[in-house]
Amino acid sequence: NAGVTQTPKFRVLKTGQSMTLLCAQDMNHEYMYWYRQDPGMGLRLIHYSVGEGTTAKGEVPDGYNVSRLKKQNFLLGLESAAPSQTSVYFCASRRGQSSTDTQYFGPGTRLTVL
Amino acid sequence: AQSVTQLGSHVSVSEGALVLLRCNYSSSVPPYLFWYVQYPNQGLQLLLKYTTGATLVKGINGFEAEFKKSETSFHLTKPSAHMSDAAEYFCAVSQGIQGAQKLVFGQGTRLTINP
Repeated sequence: NAGVTQTPKFRVLKTGQSMTLLCAQDMNHEYMYWYRQDPGMGLRLIHYSVGEGTTAKGEVPDGYNVSRLKKQNFLLGLESAAPSQTSVYFCASRRGQSSTDTQYFGPGTRLTVL
Repeated sequence: AQSVTQLGSHVSVSEGALVLLRCNYSSSVPPYLFWYVQYPNQGLQLLLKYTTGATLVKGINGFEAEFKKSETSFHLTKPSAHMSDAAEYFCAVSQGIQGAQKLVFGQGTRLTINP
């Protein structure tokens, strides 16, 4: 049971390049989330999904797209990367059977956009 | 809109001393409150959470927090600090009745333990 895994762990992009971050969970969780972490700002919700085939916007969705084609995977895409998207990205998942379920976080992806 | 304020971006205590990390929140509906810990180069791990019921919540590693509605606070404490407690701590709030559990985080408090 690997929990929540994220690929890649590190990535450097040039402005305007695109990339996709992959989040995978093996806990059969319904809900999945993407957050970004910036110094002095805590974590902010980018997008989330309440089940396979669904996505919704969070607090800071601009410049990002997501897809949840399979229940176990949640993809975060950057179509045209900007330096402002330099951040550490965390994925999380939770069972979703109760509003009090715990969110389990992955180890993060450190992205630098030059 | 909900928000969380953590007082003090850095807290330093001696090993064996009391740890007190402060968190105040604002919410227009009954909140769910969480404390997470982040060790260097790792993801976040849940320490404890308040949803309903008892206002004093006990978590892992000897931490506890008390929900005080009148003060809109959810401060985290540990009676005796250990070197392994050095990490960054995040307080978070979500709307209690909201199924999606969209967490709003504070800016974090980095805890340093002095030998």
